[in-house]
Amino acid sequence: DVKVTQSSRYLVKRTGEKVFLECVQDMDHENMFWYRQDPGLGLRLIYFSYDVKMKEKGDIPEGYSVSREKKERFSLILESASTNQTSMYLCASSPSGGAGETQYFGPGTRLLVL
Amino acid sequence: GESVGLHLPTLSVQEGDNSIINCAYSNSASDYFIWYKQESGKGPQFIIDIRSNMDKRQGQRVTVLLNKTVKHLSLQIAATQPGDSAVYFCAENVSTGGFKTIFGAGTRLFVKA
Repeated sequence: DVKVTQSSRYLVKRTGEKVFLECVQDMDHENMFWYRQDPGLGLRLIYFSYDVKMKEKGDIPEGYSVSREKKERFSLILESASTNQTSMYLCASSPSGGAGETQYFGPGTRLLVL
Repeated sequence: GESVGLHLPTLSVQEGDNSIINCAYSNSASDYFIWYKQESGKGPQFIIDIRSNMDKRQGQRVTVLLNKTVKHLSLQIAATQPGDSAVYFCAENVSTGGFKTIFGAGTRLFVKA
């Protein structure tokens, strides 16, 4: 089974703090994704990566950056957390760049920014 | 524009009954569709998928129907159980050079005992 893990289930941070969210997948997948999930809005793509050291902006990249130094690990960084970044953050991975692929999700990190 | 929508945000069914969750999509270039189940406090889990060259696919207690004419996708759950209570959302993959996945907002399914 594909396993995607996220470093924290719950985080509480203060406005202005730098926040790191870590994601690791164990199936040698090429693609990794970061989404945020807010009530009534569905999943919105923040950033994704097709390969090591490669990153592409998603639909809502503002206020975020990412890092993929190793194939299995994809990090989401909030350079200066703001209250509007309070959300559920979901990491996902998929095998390669094909259109007919399922994304496998981690358990999510619920972030509260005070 | 691109959208994946759900007709009913909340669905309540009696245990043992069949459930039908609907989804509309607007992008005719979409060629792969997925249904996910998300339980409270957990990440989405894959349930079933279907490619655009099919109109029906069955899994264990679940069936996905695809009607490309009206751009409609549905998930049928047979003999719904309390453990089926969750948010269900559909997703479509659009081939646009690379690909893009568009997720619906979700329908919450309540199963009454």
